[in-house]
Amino acid sequence: QVQLVQSGAEVKKPGSSVKVSCKTSGGTFNSNTISWVRQAPGQGLEWMGRISPILAIANYAPNFQGRVTITADKSTTTAYMELSSLRSEDTAVYYCTRDLRILVPSTNNYYYYMDVWGKGTTVTVSS
Amino acid sequence: SYELTQPPSVSVSPGQTVIITCSGDRLGDKYTCWFQQKPGQSPVLVIYQDSKRPSGIPERFSGSNSGNTATLTISGTQAMDEADYYCQAWDRSTGVFGSGTKVTVL
Repeated sequence: QVQLVQSGAEVKKPGSSVKVSCKTSGGTFNSNTISWVRQAPGQGLEWMGRISPILAIANYAPNFQGRVTITADKSTTTAYMELSSLRSEDTAVYYCTRDLRILVPSTNNYYYYMDVWGKGTTVTVSS
Repeated sequence: SYELTQPPSVSVSPGQTVIITCSGDRLGDKYTCWFQQKPGQSPVLVIYQDSKRPSGIPERFSGSNSGNTATLTISGTQAMDEADYYCQAWDRSTGVFGSGTKVTVL
């Protein structure tokens, strides 16, 4: 059974950075991707970016480009999301997800879907 | 940037059918997922690749996608289905979520 275990809650000052970890177990870390999604209080889900551990390539949502860095450590099957220049609007629950990769025979392309989610990490930005 | 639009809320009586829509430009050309989220919990995948149900998701959940609109249908809605529902698609390797729909079971 695949599990994603995230690091604990963080309280940060405006202007600082936060790094959240996501330890995966029970699945094939390398062949899928890991996404990070956040949810501000009372708001909807917002995709931040994802990484392919086997390729060590990440791509980011335009809203976070330049401020977020997603990395992965294959040796520990752990993904990380670092967000810099924090402001109060970054107060949110941050989730990691496993994006399971499947091959679609009709197109011969890969399709990814977020089949497993971590329990979330609360990040509070306050002076 | 690509956007997905959902109605903010829908209500349904127990045992009835509720349909939640998700609209986006040429959405039918992409695959859509649906997630259920209850208060204080992580989202749960209920539909992927437009219409497939993960193991453990009841058959009353079904999905379709064509043209500019994807739909999530809950047939024989139960009180436990009261939750927020989000659609999601990929646009050029960028993940996009709908704004979410709150389903109230009256």
